[in-house]
Amino acid sequence: NAGVMQNPRHLVRRRGQEARLRCSPMKGHSHVYWYRQLPEEGLKFMVYLQKENIIDESGMPKERFSAEFPKEGPSILRIQQVVRGDSAAYFCASAEGGFSNQPQHFGDGTRLSIL
Amino acid sequence: AQKITQTQPGMFVQEKEAVTLDCTYDTSDQSYGLFWYKQPSSGEMIFLIYQGSYDEQNATEGRYSLNFQKARKSANLVISASQLGDSAMYFCAMRVVDTGRRALTFGSGTRLQVQP
Repeated sequence: NAGVMQNPRHLVRRRGQEARLRCSPMKGHSHVYWYRQLPEEGLKFMVYLQKENIIDESGMPKERFSAEFPKEGPSILRIQQVVRGDSAAYFCASAEGGFSNQPQHFGDGTRLSIL
Repeated sequence: AQKITQTQPGMFVQEKEAVTLDCTYDTSDQSYGLFWYKQPSSGEMIFLIYQGSYDEQNATEGRYSLNFQKARKSANLVISASQLGDSAMYFCAMRVVDTGRRALTFGSGTRLQVQP
C-alpha cells in the first residue's frame, strides 16, 4: 500500500515533553499538509510544505510548534513543551501538486494524548 | 477567507434509502474545488468526491453524487442506496487556487447513522 503513512498512530506524552509526529507522503507527492482535529470538530489547517520549504504556516501556533519536510525522509511535526490543550488528532495529507482539483490524500492520523 | 457550513450535526437514514448531507460555502474566489471526505469510527479520512467551480455537470462517483448549485453556494452530498458501512462522519471541504494558500477548509461535519 503506497498511501500516506503516519507514525506513531498513538502517542502519549506528559506535560512539558516533546512530541514528534512523522508523515511519509504518497509516492510521487511533493506537497504535504498538516491538520489538527479536536474531538467532534472538523480538521483545521496548520502548515503546508514542499520539499525543504514551508509554503504556508498561517495555521500554526507561533510558539512551540514547528514543521519540516527535508530533502530525504518524512515530514516531521514537532511540538515542544506540550500542554493538555495539544491533545488532538493530527493528520497529514499529501498531494501531487497544488492545484485546486487535486484531492489531498490523508494518512490515518496520530492521536496525541497529554497526561 | 473561506468558510464551510454543515448545518446537520447528525442524520439518520434507513438502509437502502438515499440521504442528502448539506454543505454551503462562502468564498470570494472564482476558482475553487469542493471535496467530501468520510471519517469512519476508526478515524481515517477517506476522499469521496470532488467538484470544480467551473464544472458544468454534477460530479458522481458510484453511489455518491454531488448536487452543486453555484448560485446558492451549496454542494450537497447525496448517498444513494445507503449501506450500514456508510455510518460515519462526513466532512465537506473547500480549496481555492490562491497564491501560496492551497490548504483545505473543512466544515464541522455531519454524523450519519444508517439503520437496518
